[in-house]
Amino acid sequence: DTGVSQDPRHKITKRGQNVTFRCDPISEHNRLYWYRQTLGQGPEFLTYFQNEAQLEKSRLLSDRFSAERPKGSFSTLEIQRTEQGDSAMYLCASSVTGRISGNTIYFGEGSWLTVV
Amino acid sequence: GENVEQHPSTLSVQEGDSAVIKCTYSDSASNYFPWYKQELGKGPQLIIDIRSNVGEKKDQRIAVTLNKTAKHFSLHITETQPEDSAVYFCAGVYNQGGKLIFGQGTELSVKP
Repeated sequence: DTGVSQDPRHKITKRGQNVTFRCDPISEHNRLYWYRQTLGQGPEFLTYFQNEAQLEKSRLLSDRFSAERPKGSFSTLEIQRTEQGDSAMYLCASSVTGRISGNTIYFGEGSWLTVV
Repeated sequence: GENVEQHPSTLSVQEGDSAVIKCTYSDSASNYFPWYKQELGKGPQLIIDIRSNVGEKKDQRIAVTLNKTAKHFSLHITETQPEDSAVYFCAGVYNQGGKLIFGQGTELSVKP
């Protein structure tokens, strides 16, 4: 069990550029979540998938943000035309639905984005 | 609405003392309440969780209690050690096991 893996861990980009983050969930986990966290705050929910279906999106997820999980395994989060306010840590998490261990959500180490 | 309130925002204790962090939630349908520890520059690490069919759960020096009637739950750390220093987040599950809603976090400092 290698845990939730995120790439890249750090990204510095210029305002207006597009960035993409990748998340590989724990093997066999059918749910995958994206959260955003700024300094001194708790993680804020962005969206989640069950297999390849995107089941919920937060109002925080503007039109510039898009997330995909095409084959129900890894996921990508793309931010288009980045703004300075997008600077944050983007966290990915995964879980497996089931009666015994359902809802136990494990996080990756996050991808830090700095928009300059 | 979906809301989890966490107190205190900062907590400083002497090594060996106990620490208690409290959270309240708004949605009575919530049935799963995890606690995460987050160290600087790292992702949240699950340390303990509790489901709504139990009132208390213990794992070595940490314990969590849940009062469903009052809609609050608490994290208890006994015999604190300097390595317990971190930010702790409580959370509640909404939308039938979908998303977690997090509290604002408690920065715990354990002084040697």
